[in-house]
This record gives sequence, C-alpha cells and structure tokens, in this order.
Amino acid sequence: EADIYQTPRYLVIGTGKKITLECSQTMGHDKMYWYQQDPGMELHLIHYSYGVNSTEKGDLSSESTVSRIRTEHFPLTLESARPSHTSQYLCASSERWGLNTEAFFGQGTRLTVV
Amino acid sequence: AQSVTQLDSHVSVSEGTPVLLRCNYSSSYSPSLFWYVQHPNKGLQLLLKYTSAATLVKGINGFEAEFKKSETSFHLTKPSAHMSDAAEYFCVVGGATNKLIFGTGTLLAVQP
Repeated sequence: EADIYQTPRYLVIGTGKKITLECSQTMGHDKMYWYQQDPGMELHLIHYSYGVNSTEKGDLSSESTVSRIRTEHFPLTLESARPSHTSQYLCASSERWGLNTEAFFGQGTRLTVV
Repeated sequence: AQSVTQLDSHVSVSEGTPVLLRCNYSSSYSPSLFWYVQHPNKGLQLLLKYTSAATLVKGINGFEAEFKKSETSFHLTKPSAHMSDAAEYFCVVGGATNKLIFGTGTLLAVQP
C-alpha cells in the first residue's frame, strides 16, 4: 500500500475562490508530480519537483502553482478558481533516480468549480 | 522523444475469457514501461513494470505483459477475466528526466 495522501478527495467551490490541494507522502521520495485528468481521458503532467525547492512546469500548461518546502509535502494552489479548472488532480511520487522506478499515486482530488 | 499509443479505447470481454490490451511505444533509447490500473474513483495502481531483466513481466492479479522490441509493443494480457478487472488501464513509458508519459487509456468492461 502506497503512502501518499491527497486532501480533500472531493471539492466543490465557487468561481474566484483560492484553493489549495494537499499532497503528502511518507516514503521519503525526492520526485513528486501533479497530473490533471479529465473524465475518461489520459493523464497530463502539469507540475513536477526533483526535491526541496525544486518545481518545474509539466507538459500541459496550467494556471496552478506548486511549492516544495518539505520533501513530504507538495501542495497545488489555484489563486482564482474558474469552471475550466474542473477536473481530477492526481498527485504522485517516485524515487529520484532510475528510469525503471515507478510512481505511486494518491487517490486524487476531484475538483468542481461552479 | 518518447510516446505511447494504446490501440483500443474500449475493450469488452466475457468473464472467464482472455484479456488483451494493446500498447505500442516509441523511444529513442531503451525504455522503461509500466501498466497502471485505475478503478472508478480510485487512484492509479501499478500492475507491472518492465525493467529489462526479462521480456515477460508478471504483475499483480494474474496480469502479465511481454516486451517485444522488434514490434515496439508491450501488450497486457490475462488468461481469464474476472468481474473485478473492470477498470481503466494505462500504458506508461518512462520519459527523459524520469517523467512518466501516459497513454490515453483503455476501458475494460467484463460481461457476466
């Protein structure tokens, strides 16, 4: 069982609100990721981190921002939520080195902006 | 550049019959390949991974996949489908800088 947790699991929020999606892992992994997944669609990488104080943009442009102040914590923030941000957000982590290292995923946060 | 193509968006099988989910990859170097499963309202779970140690990889829940370099394929199979196998399956290639590149997914339906 992977030790990576996301909160909240479900969130319905009004347009213009600021939100932070939490992600924490207890495996000591250096690499962490945020993926966005629309229903029935593939996952798109929106942010990743190599370790503390490292953040990089992913392949899909996103208006969200991330921070990595602690190894175990990788929150994602939307300053002003819009209906187009409605989606599922999946957090993952992996050991830093090695192409063969798999990623462990949280259960996701399903965000609805009304 | 690396990419992965899942050839079927939907696959439907009867319980007890074999499962075949197809995946082709493109990679400029020896790839790392994974299959993940996603049940409704759940996170992704690793089924199996190819580590170059053996071309036939066995995973959890009776699934296995065979790496075929000549065909650039990594198809997922199971001899006998179970109702609990109904889920979305993603073929994934490990990209440059250790990013994971996901396929578009195959939705497996299992009929009783």
